[in-house]
Amino acid sequence: NAGVTQTPKFRVLKTGQSMTLLCAQDMNHEYMYWYRQDPGMGLRLIHYSVGEGTTAKGEVPDGYNVSRLKKQNFLLGLESAAPSQTSVYFCASSRSGTGQYTQYFGPGTRLTVL
Amino acid sequence: DQQVKQNSPSLSVQEGRISILNCDYTNSMFDYFLWYKKYPAEGPTFLISISSIKDKNEDGRFTVFLNKSAKHLSLHIVPSQPGDSAVYFCAASASYGGSQGNLIFGKGTKLSVKP
Repeated sequence: NAGVTQTPKFRVLKTGQSMTLLCAQDMNHEYMYWYRQDPGMGLRLIHYSVGEGTTAKGEVPDGYNVSRLKKQNFLLGLESAAPSQTSVYFCASSRSGTGQYTQYFGPGTRLTVL
Repeated sequence: DQQVKQNSPSLSVQEGRISILNCDYTNSMFDYFLWYKKYPAEGPTFLISISSIKDKNEDGRFTVFLNKSAKHLSLHIVPSQPGDSAVYFCAASASYGGSQGNLIFGKGTKLSVKP
């Protein structure tokens, strides 16, 4: 039982390049989330999904797109990377929404955009 | 505007003593509060939570207190151990309203427990 895994762990991009971050969970959770964490900041929600085939915008969605084609996977895409997207990205999953359902986090992806 | 505030970026405590981490919130719709712990180069892990219908929840060395009238919660760690050194995030959610129950995180407090 691996929990939540993220691929890759590290990545360096040049401005304008694109990439996809992959999140996978093996807990059969309905809800999945993408957060970013910047120095001195808490985690901010980028996008989330309440089930397979659904996605919704979070607090900071601009510059990102997501897809949830399979229940266990949640992909985060950057179409044209910008230095402001340099951050640590965390994926999380939970059985359902609201705070009473624990969110389980992956180990993070450290992205640097030059 | 920050809805969840952790005004102390860091806290240093001696091993064996009590650690008290504080969190304030502004949104009266929040009905569930959580604390997450984060070690460097790892994802956050759930520590303890409390529903707004309670004022205290205890789990081993960790206790969370909620003061709804003051919109304030605190995490007490007794006794503190060096392994507790980490960043602690306070988070809140509202079951009803526009946020769809999503978690709103504070900026975190870095706890250092010295031997």
